[in-house]
Amino acid sequence: DTGVSQDPRHKITKRGQNVTFRCDPISEHNRLYWYRQTLGQGPEFLTYFQNEAQLEKSRLLSDRFSAERPKGSFSTLEIQRTEQGDSAMYLCASSLDGGGKETQYFGPGTRLLVL
Amino acid sequence: KQEVTQIPAALSVPEGENLVLNCSFTDSAIYNLQWFRQDPGKGLTSLLLIQSSQREQTSGRLNASLDKSSGRSTLYIAASQPGDSATYLCAVMTTDSWGKLQFGAGTQVVVTP
Repeated sequence: DTGVSQDPRHKITKRGQNVTFRCDPISEHNRLYWYRQTLGQGPEFLTYFQNEAQLEKSRLLSDRFSAERPKGSFSTLEIQRTEQGDSAMYLCASSLDGGGKETQYFGPGTRLLVL
Repeated sequence: KQEVTQIPAALSVPEGENLVLNCSFTDSAIYNLQWFRQDPGKGLTSLLLIQSSQREQTSGRLNASLDKSSGRSTLYIAASQPGDSATYLCAVMTTDSWGKLQFGAGTQVVVTP
């Protein structure tokens, strides 16, 4: 399977704990995106990388959130001191830079529940 | 600030009917518009991408049109099947935020046998 993969698929944690999610993009894709989706809403953009450079961060991404893509391949999204409001589906997508013509391909998501 | 709206929020049709899903956006300065399908608890599957210079795209039973000047796109699904039941989302990429997709809340579709 050469699609976007995410790990874990589900995570239950207690308020105040740190969590880390991993995304493996399609191998030749140089762009990688993180989105967050809550029930009944469309995904909201969090951040994106071109190769290892983080090019844009949403204002939704508070100081408790950090994302990395150290070698321009996989990416991690860490949430520190989780809050109940962080409960959501975290989606990763990747694309091949095509000057705005590219399709973004999404992974299955990581569903986070903060108790 | 770009806003993307999808109406209706939910739609139920009998099998065999054509589906018409609407998407509107407030800022016409877009690179492209994408339609996605999402099954419950799953990720998104890309259906069609329309470039800003295009008027429509077709794939099998799916046809999407784009009217950039009026800020509207329509997804047509011909001869609906129960397997078409899902949430359909549209998303735009605006020229001032290259790479970032802005999504509507989606239309939840149920096709009854």
